[in-house]
Amino acid sequence: QVQLVQSGGEVKKPGASVKVSCKASGYTLSSYGISWVRQAPGQGLEWMGWISSYNAATKYAKKFQGRVTMTTDTSTDTAYMELSSLRSDDTAVYYCAREYCTSDSCYGADYWGQGTLVTVSS
Amino acid sequence: QSVLTQPPSVSAASGQKVTISCSGSSSNIGSYYVSWYQQVPGTAPKLLIYEDNKRPSGIPDRFSGSKSGTSATLGITGLQTGDEADYYCGTWDTSLSAYVFVSGTRVTVL
Repeated sequence: QVQLVQSGGEVKKPGASVKVSCKASGYTLSSYGISWVRQAPGQGLEWMGWISSYNAATKYAKKFQGRVTMTTDTSTDTAYMELSSLRSDDTAVYYCAREYCTSDSCYGADYWGQGTLVTVSS
Repeated sequence: QSVLTQPPSVSAASGQKVTISCSGSSSNIGSYYVSWYQQVPGTAPKLLIYEDNKRPSGIPDRFSGSKSGTSATLGITGLQTGDEADYYCGTWDTSLSAYVFVSGTRVTVL
């Protein structure tokens, strides 16, 4: 069965960076990409971007361009999301999710990780 | 502010039907597939409907999706207490070059 298992919660100070991992299993990684979606406390879902597990092509939401870096390690079937220059409003649960995208668009995520709480506080 | 809109909450009695509408534009719903997600507070979202009206395996047929023009609708029949959750529609937006989610609808079973 498809599973996405994320790393544990993090507490960071403003200005720092955080790197969250997402280990995939139960499917052929290269057939799909991985998206990252965050949810601030009491708020809705916000798509941050996507990375192809096939060729590492990326799509980043404009809001996060310049601050987010998504990578994959196909040898360990693990995806990573690094967010830099953290601010207090980056406090959120960060989810990885399996998603199929073309050069034109993304189709929506089907399987989701359990979420990683990132707290930004001085 | 989300480019997609849906009511913040809907409620109905157990066993009844609810519908949740998601309104967008030609740059999103009107041109791309819509997915629907269920999120019980404190848990990860779960895919209910993909490609406008298809259900993943394991999703009961009480859940249905439809789309017309720039609006999509999620229907839930035979409402159960376990259906109490937040529901989100999502789709690609070509103007933003991003996947967008609506702000969410809380379903309450009376």
